[in-house]
Amino acid sequence: GAVVSQHPSWVICKSGTSVKIECRSLDFQATTMFWYRQFPKQSLMLMATSNEGSKATYEQGVEKDKFLINHASLTLSTLTVTSAHPEDSSFYICSARASEVRRDSYNEQFFGPGTRLTVL
Amino acid sequence: GNSVTQMEGPVTLSEEAFLTINCTYTATGYPSLFWYVQYPGEGLQLLLKATKADDKGSNKGFEATYRKETTSFHLEKGSVQVSDSAVYFCALRHGGATNKLIFGTGTLLAVQP
Repeated sequence: GAVVSQHPSWVICKSGTSVKIECRSLDFQATTMFWYRQFPKQSLMLMATSNEGSKATYEQGVEKDKFLINHASLTLSTLTVTSAHPEDSSFYICSARASEVRRDSYNEQFFGPGTRLTVL
Repeated sequence: GNSVTQMEGPVTLSEEAFLTINCTYTATGYPSLFWYVQYPGEGLQLLLKATKADDKGSNKGFEATYRKETTSFHLEKGSVQVSDSAVYFCALRHGGATNKLIFGTGTLLAVQP
């Protein structure tokens, strides 16, 4: 249980185009989802916290108009990178926190496998 | 602010060697502490956790003890295997509704047969 999927697993796009990444909780409902960015050989940096039915909360330095987050249901959050540029190339990882209390995993975040974005 | 510092890698060991990856943290109050593992090409998986001082988290032969006096949560394993090769992240989560995780920079472990 507690599986989080991401789609696509990798994407290559041209500079100036927009890319949408989906994050789904497959067997649980997630009130809150988190989006992280990971640069090569570096740690995960939290970009934003996404709450179902409300606006996302962005971390300092993250452009909300460039990284659009939609959390329309309890099992799906999307991250859209608008007008992508080569510097946006990175590994994007989402995580989900279960809405209901789960034994032995209360308040735990479950991570997706990540999406590799390459902008040419 | 809250932060996590872990030893830089890569750490290269022979199979069956003893592993220690150091992790120290800075935080007010009593955060929960975690170790996550990331295998090549995959997302993060929770390896173990401890929620209060002196707690010991353990899983798959790995252990870490929450030491408040030294603000540390070092990861140890008595005998590593090739399959343990991965990147290991130490993280803390402070109390409150946000549930934000703060990660260290990660330590690459390479175990050679």
